[in-house]
Amino acid sequence: QKEVEQNSGPLSVPEGAIASLNCTYSDRVSQSFFWYRQYSGKSPELIMSIYSNGDKEDGRFTAQLNKASQYVSLLIRDSQPSDSATYLCAVMTVPAGTALIFGKGTTLSVSS
Amino acid sequence: GAVVSQHPSRVICKSGTSVKIECRSLDFQATTMFWYRQFPKQSLMLMATSNEGSKATYEQGVEKDKFLINHASLTLSTLTVTSAHPEDSSFYICSARNAGGGTGELFFGEGSRLTVL
Repeated sequence: QKEVEQNSGPLSVPEGAIASLNCTYSDRVSQSFFWYRQYSGKSPELIMSIYSNGDKEDGRFTAQLNKASQYVSLLIRDSQPSDSATYLCAVMTVPAGTALIFGKGTTLSVSS
Repeated sequence: GAVVSQHPSRVICKSGTSVKIECRSLDFQATTMFWYRQFPKQSLMLMATSNEGSKATYEQGVEKDKFLINHASLTLSTLTVTSAHPEDSSFYICSARNAGGGTGELFFGEGSRLTVL
């Protein structure tokens, strides 16, 4: 069974700090990886996507992928109270075009 | 980014009634849409894959006769919860992928919160 694992948290960081969110996946042939942010009562919104090993940066967000370790992470620099939300890791496996498999999400709390 | 619209955003119904939720891709065509369900403090669980012009594919444990899915056009999929019961109360979210391109990410509708009394 394909699984995506995340630490549910809550992860608490002070404003301005770096928040580090981690995710592991079980299906070795997974090929596309996504981080979504979900505020309470709202639907998920895409933050980052990453497809190849290494780092991908977009503003304050950096996604890191290590396919050998089946590990993907999201770093949020200069964390803001508005970043407080649940962050969902999602994985797409073969064949391409299938639905995303989601982790349970990590709740991030940024205190001012 | 691509826009997916879902309606209604909230619905309250009596036990035993049926509820229809619509999902529309507004600025792209979606041959495939996905329906997820999310219980409080849980992750998104895939219910079914909606295929335009053909039958939906349901995940294990999801009753196809209870959760009717119709994908009649490239921009519209509907989910009907038939004979709803209180345990069906949940947050239902549709999503779609741009059939004309993109890199695999799913775009989500706003979600529909169903409360069955």
